[in-house]
This record gives sequence, structure tokens and C-alpha cells, in this order.
Amino acid sequence: GESVGLHLPTLSVQEGDNSIINCAYSNSASDYFIWYKQESGKGPQFIIDIRSNMDKRQGQRVTVLLNKTVKHLSLQIAATQPGDSAVYFCAENRGGGADGLTFGKGTHLIIQP
Amino acid sequence: DAGVIQSPRHEVTEMGQEVTLRCKPISGHNSLFWYRQTMMRGLELLIYFNNNVPIDDSGMPEDRFSAKMPNASFSTLKIQPSEPRDSAVYFCASSLLTGGGGGYTFGSGTRLTVV
Repeated sequence: GESVGLHLPTLSVQEGDNSIINCAYSNSASDYFIWYKQESGKGPQFIIDIRSNMDKRQGQRVTVLLNKTVKHLSLQIAATQPGDSAVYFCAENRGGGADGLTFGKGTHLIIQP
Repeated sequence: DAGVIQSPRHEVTEMGQEVTLRCKPISGHNSLFWYRQTMMRGLELLIYFNNNVPIDDSGMPEDRFSAKMPNASFSTLKIQPSEPRDSAVYFCASSLLTGGGGGYTFGSGTRLTVV
């Protein structure tokens, strides 16, 4: 989800469970989407990307789903581990040209033992 | 490769002083981006360069902010004069292709505090 002001949405899951983080985007012209992970004190780290001509893409333990009809993006993390605790951002590239990425506000994923 | 290198990691300065943030992109990358991150506004794109040329600086908040990229291996973001509301973490990122493809690689950021 998206946050307003100081409050990031928080998702708390048990270690070993699957996590699903959601993101809504607003620009139907966006054609490239990326999920980033940001740990405390570090820069955002690339996780996985997807282009608008795809609905699903899988990586190692992660899957990104894109629903262009409702402009929704999700990140699924399988068998979450303590190291998955971080803030997760979705980002979109608008217009398909040489633009910088536009980031969502982020979701804080907390892994409980 | 050491990744995107930013300096300094932390900067504390007094209001009115000039601040210069530095970035060394990954060798071979031809796009460079400066972002600012705050709790209130999240990650905001300030400016980006393609092949050392500034392409879009519409995200630069005021004329007090300026950025340069004199060569493919170095960029600076300058704030003059600095103000307390400039306090934030500033990230530099680089990529090989413009328009996406493999994502952007971010540096560790510079945490700026203006008092």
C-alpha cells in the first residue's frame, strides 16, 4: 500500500511464511516497474523488475505480479527470513523514455521469529 | 566493482553554509541520478544525467541546488546556501541503460543535517 506523511504501512509476518507487499501506481503510461529493498542506513537495493508487456516474473524466492487493468503491482516473498526485514519500495518509469524512476512511499516488512 | 560511491557519509553544517556532495558512479554506467529521501516525502528525483549531460532538473527544489557532472566518473550536488529544511539523505544512483532495464544501483547515501 501507499503511505501518507510519516507513517509507513507495516506488514508483520512470521519467519517462514510468505509475504505479499502491494503497490498502486497512477500513471497508465508507465511501462517499467522495479521493486527495491532498503535496509536501515543503506541505499535502496534492486530486487526484481518487470516490463508492462508481462504479468508475472519470478526470481529467487521473489515473484512480481503486474495488473495493468487496476494499475497494481505486488511483490511476493517466499519463506521469509529475518534478513528480509526492510522497507520495500515499488518504483515506476513513466513514459518509457530516459526518465528517472518515481518511487512509492514504501512498506515496512517486519519478520517475527 | 565497488559500486556507487558517495562522500561524505554524514555531513553536519550550519545554516547558510555551502554543502557539496560527491558521487562516483559505477564504471561504464552512462546515466546518473540524484535522489533525496525524507520521511515526509520519501524518495524524490532531483536531477539526472545521460552521458554527463543534465537531462531533467525539474526536481531540483530551488536555485540554491545545483549539480554537475564534469566527466563520466564524477558528479557533485551543491547546496548554497544550505537551510535546515534541506536536511535529508541524498542518494546517487547510476545505470547502464536509460529508461530502465536491470534497475539502478544506489550508493549508500549522504546524511545531511543543517542546523
